[in-house]
Amino acid sequence: DAKTTQPPSMDCAEGRAANLPCNHSTISGNEYVYWYRQIHSQGPQYIIHGLKNNETNEMASLIITEDRKSSTLILPHATLRDTAVYYCIAPHPYNTDKLIFGTGTRLQVFP
Amino acid sequence: EAQVTQNPRYLITVTGKKLTVTCSQNMNHEYMSWYRQDPGLGLRQIYYSMNVEVTDKGDVPEGYKVSRKEKRNFPLILESPSPNQTSLYFCASSSQDGYEQYFGPGTRLTVT
Repeated sequence: DAKTTQPPSMDCAEGRAANLPCNHSTISGNEYVYWYRQIHSQGPQYIIHGLKNNETNEMASLIITEDRKSSTLILPHATLRDTAVYYCIAPHPYNTDKLIFGTGTRLQVFP
Repeated sequence: EAQVTQNPRYLITVTGKKLTVTCSQNMNHEYMSWYRQDPGLGLRQIYYSMNVEVTDKGDVPEGYKVSRKEKRNFPLILESPSPNQTSLYFCASSSQDGYEQYFGPGTRLTVT
């Protein structure tokens, strides 16, 4: 698994875009980047994943740099309900079921 | 509704009293796993199962047992709980060709 590094906390105003960075400088060519979030003490929730192209779904966008050493999760219009801990994970390509959660980024959305 | 359920959601017990936390999924997923979450340590995998009758240790298996007799169920067994097993436990499942893991709501266990 590639080691990922995220800032411990971030703030974002409601309605603004939240941009959460993640460094994964040791990622290999076939390791995907996954994002999950955990609201309070609920079960983690899958958000999005990508390999090298930018990805977008109904929840968020994922921007991966060309060298794949970092990525940014974008919540385009953050709401109070987006307040959570966000985890960036890069599991081994042959063991994508084993997710190693670090400490993530605690995003606080304020009114 | 696709979901992973866990029971009980909250449990307070005493040292040495055997307990089982149940986990069930209704998505016909092959893969299931158990995690524990402790402050400052993130989520750590306890055991996982690739399919019926196939289980393997995760990163912190000591003091736990699991079984996978049916595809939908993956119970976590603590034969002799100790206070250091006080934690928040999550069950998760995913399909073999899927990227998304689905997590249960969690079981908060306190061992006194």
